[in-house]
Order: sequence, then structure tokens, then C-alpha cells
Amino acid sequence: RKEVEQDPGPFNVPEGATVAFNCTYSNSASQSFFWYRQDCRKEPKLLMSVYSSGNEDGRFTAQLNRASQYISLLIRDSKLSDSATYLCVVKSSGSARQLTFGSGTQLTVLP
Amino acid sequence: GAVVSQHPSWVICKSGTSVKIECRSLDFQATTMFWYRQFPKQSLMLMATSNEGSKATYEQGVEKDKFLINHASLTLSTLTVTSAHPEDSSFYICSAWRQGTSGYTFGSGTRLTVV
Repeated sequence: RKEVEQDPGPFNVPEGATVAFNCTYSNSASQSFFWYRQDCRKEPKLLMSVYSSGNEDGRFTAQLNRASQYISLLIRDSKLSDSATYLCVVKSSGSARQLTFGSGTQLTVLP
Repeated sequence: GAVVSQHPSWVICKSGTSVKIECRSLDFQATTMFWYRQFPKQSLMLMATSNEGSKATYEQGVEKDKFLINHASLTLSTLTVTSAHPEDSSFYICSAWRQGTSGYTFGSGTRLTVV
């Protein structure tokens, strides 16, 4: 079983739509959680951290359910510029500081 | 903000040759640098973790003699792909951990094509 699993998509949605991505992780000792965005042939960029209480940044809302080991990202009012691959990322506990990446969910927002 | 400069951004080399990729932290000291590899339509896979002044820790299945990592200073880490083969063609990305923050800063990646 992969440490971090995501639905690969692709998700093709019209502009203005609301889209949700899900992610599960297998290591219950995981400490920190993030969503990254990766554009084609570019490095990943941090979109937002994910907290148990849930957090929102503009049109983006992230949720974490530690009991279910489940993370979600909701994008409201999709823009064309939101088209990218969204990576669910988990940091394990301990001093290794390693990030484990999901395989990514591809989103295309259509005009 | 924290910047990691990675170069070259792309390189084409012949089979059997070696390629060196550099990652340099420009405005902070990177005590830990991570090296990832990403094949098309796949996620980033950690290859190795390097700490300044010590030997790198390689992930299972990554040949340390083939992928040489040097982290001789707090601002520079290098990955050398030795005796490259076409199957080594991939997108290589470094990431630096900035001490005192929860931040990881990524280099812009190197696209390696071995012909």
C-alpha cells in the first residue's frame, strides 16, 4: 500500500465550479500535512498546510481527519489558472524531516 | 523569501557520461537537502537525504555509487549521476530544509535526458 494515496484524476471542470480532492495516508504517526501545487515541468509549490481544525485560504479549504487518516482540499469558484497537479504531502514524525508525496491529482479548469 | 537555485535546468547527455546537478541555497543555510526524482505522470520519489558534512542517506533501491551526493557546505549540495543510462532520464529536484522554520524550499528542477 502506498504511504500517500490520491485519486489521479484527471478532473476536468468548468470555470466557476467547486472541486474536491481527497487523500489518505497510511502512517498514523505522520505529523504534518500539506497540499502542494505542481505545474507541468515545474517544481512543486506549497499551496497550504493542513490543520486538524481545518483551514481556509481564499477559495481553498483544507481539512484533516486524523482518525480516518484522510486529507481533503476544496477549491471553490475554479479559475483557469487553477489548472495544475495537486500533490498531497505528508511529513512523518522524527528528525528525518522527510516529505512523502502522493502521486498527484490532475485538474484542468475549462473555459 | 528563501531561494534555492538549481542548475542546470535541463541537460542532454550521452549514455555512459556523468552529469552533475547543483543546488545552492542563496539566502539561508541548508543543513539538510533532499534529492527527489520524478518520472512522467508520477510523483516525487525521495532518492536521498544529505546533511552538511556527513554522508548522504539513500532510500532503498537507490544506488549510492551511481548517484553521488556531496553536501560539503551549508549552501551547496550536488548530485552526480554517474555512467548515465537512458532509464536515468527524469526530472531531478532538490529541496532544502530551513532550520528554525517549518519550511521546505524546492529548486526549480533539472530535466535530464540521456541519449
